[in-house]
Amino acid sequence: EPEVTQTPSHQVTQMGQEVILRCVPISNHLYFYWYRQILGQKVEFLVSFYNNEISEKSEIFDDQFSVERPDGSNFTLKIRSTKLEDSAMYFCASRPPGTGPQPQHFGDGTRLSIL
Amino acid sequence: GQNIDQPTEMTATEGAIVQINCTYQTSGFNGLFWYQQHAGEAPTFLSYNVLDGLEEKGRFSSFLSRSKGYSYLLLKELQMKDSASYLCAVKEYGNKLVFGAGTILRVKS
Repeated sequence: EPEVTQTPSHQVTQMGQEVILRCVPISNHLYFYWYRQILGQKVEFLVSFYNNEISEKSEIFDDQFSVERPDGSNFTLKIRSTKLEDSAMYFCASRPPGTGPQPQHFGDGTRLSIL
Repeated sequence: GQNIDQPTEMTATEGAIVQINCTYQTSGFNGLFWYQQHAGEAPTFLSYNVLDGLEEKGRFSSFLSRSKGYSYLLLKELQMKDSASYLCAVKEYGNKLVFGAGTILRVKS
C-alpha cells in the first residue's frame, strides 16, 4: 500500500538554526498538509498546500515557517530561527483528489528536538 | 470557536466491546474522522462519517449525529494491539482537520 514518507525520522538542532523537514506524499495525491504534535498534546494543523500554493494556514504558521514543493515528488517544511518551543513531532499528510471529505494519510513523522 | 471533547482514558477487557465518545462544536462541518495513534507513531485513518448514521468497517464502527454534535467509535472483539490513542477529528469547511486531545484506550487481558 502506498504511503507518505518523511525524512529524517529524528532531527536535533541548536536553537536559532534553520531546519528543513522533508516529505514524499503518495504519488497521485494533490493535497498536502503539515501538522505538529507537541509531546503529550493534541495534533495541530499548520498548513495545507494545493496547486503549488498555500490554501490555508493556522496562527502557528507565522513568518518563521515556509513550505515548498521543489519538484514533482517532494514537499518540504522550513523552520527558520528555531526556538525551544518548536520541539515537537511534525507530521506530513496527503489526500487524494476528488470532492468530498477524503481521508488524509499521515507519514511517520519527524521528531524535532531543539537544544 | 472550536471545541472537541473526548474522554481522556478508558480501560476495557480483551474480547469486549468499547465505545469512545466525541462531542464537537466547530464553526463548520464537512465530516468527522477517527484515527488510531500508537505512542510515537503516526495517526492511522480508521473511519469517517459525513452523514448521520452508522458506518461499519470490520471490527470498527463509527456513528454520527450532526444535530447533537456527537460521534462515537465502537471497537468490537478487542485485542491487546488495540491499546492506543483514538483521535476524533472534524473537517471544517476548507482543508484542515481539527483534532481532539485523544482517548487513551488500555486493553487488559
